[in-house]
Amino acid sequence: GENVEQHPSTLSVQEGDSAVIKCTYSDSASNYFPWYKQELGKRPQLIIDIRSNVGEKKDQRIAVTLNKTAKHFSLHITETQPEDSAVYFCAASNQDYGGATNKLIFGTGTLLAVQP
Amino acid sequence: KAGVTQTPRYLIKTRGQQVTLSCSPISGHRSVSWYQQTPGQGLQFLFEYFSETQRNKGNFPGRFSGRQFSNSRSEMNVSTLELGDSALYLCASSYEDSLYNEQFFGPGTRLTVL
Repeated sequence: GENVEQHPSTLSVQEGDSAVIKCTYSDSASNYFPWYKQELGKRPQLIIDIRSNVGEKKDQRIAVTLNKTAKHFSLHITETQPEDSAVYFCAASNQDYGGATNKLIFGTGTLLAVQP
Repeated sequence: KAGVTQTPRYLIKTRGQQVTLSCSPISGHRSVSWYQQTPGQGLQFLFEYFSETQRNKGNFPGRFSGRQFSNSRSEMNVSTLELGDSALYLCASSYEDSLYNEQFFGPGTRLTVL
């Protein structure tokens, strides 16, 4: 069935270092890959997403890469700051034109701790 | 625009009871999805509604049901509550105007079953 694996489950970095979180999806029909950040007690917030027709997308200190052949996608955070500390979730979705479904399959999350 | 809102924010129920949770999407959004979040299982898809019709359903028992109203507000209902239903229930809405629809989450309803 549909599955998204996410690694690592926890990640501790020093402020200013880079952080990389990796996900692998099983459904080859997946074409939309969002990343959500969830701070303690807060709602998941979309931080970046990538479509299957793009290999890489960058937004300031955050970038996402997609390898459709290997069914891998990764989140890269550069120059990490203490406020980046949160749980990060990757997700995959198969969204047909007209939005036959918005169903997201989530990874298990990565707890990122940025040490000052 | 106001974000996705959910009511109530917290609920405490006992086993066997039923509960109804409400979700108001961002104005103009027509799709509402529901997710269950637990420490053990993570975020799991419950169901999705669009234009008052359920168009996708996750692998949850029939005790979990939902509906959507003409103003796109959605409710989910859980009957015969079990201890394992304790979770954060999140809804997410999307606009549905393009091939890929970003979903925005509400703050969630934390349900505790005693």
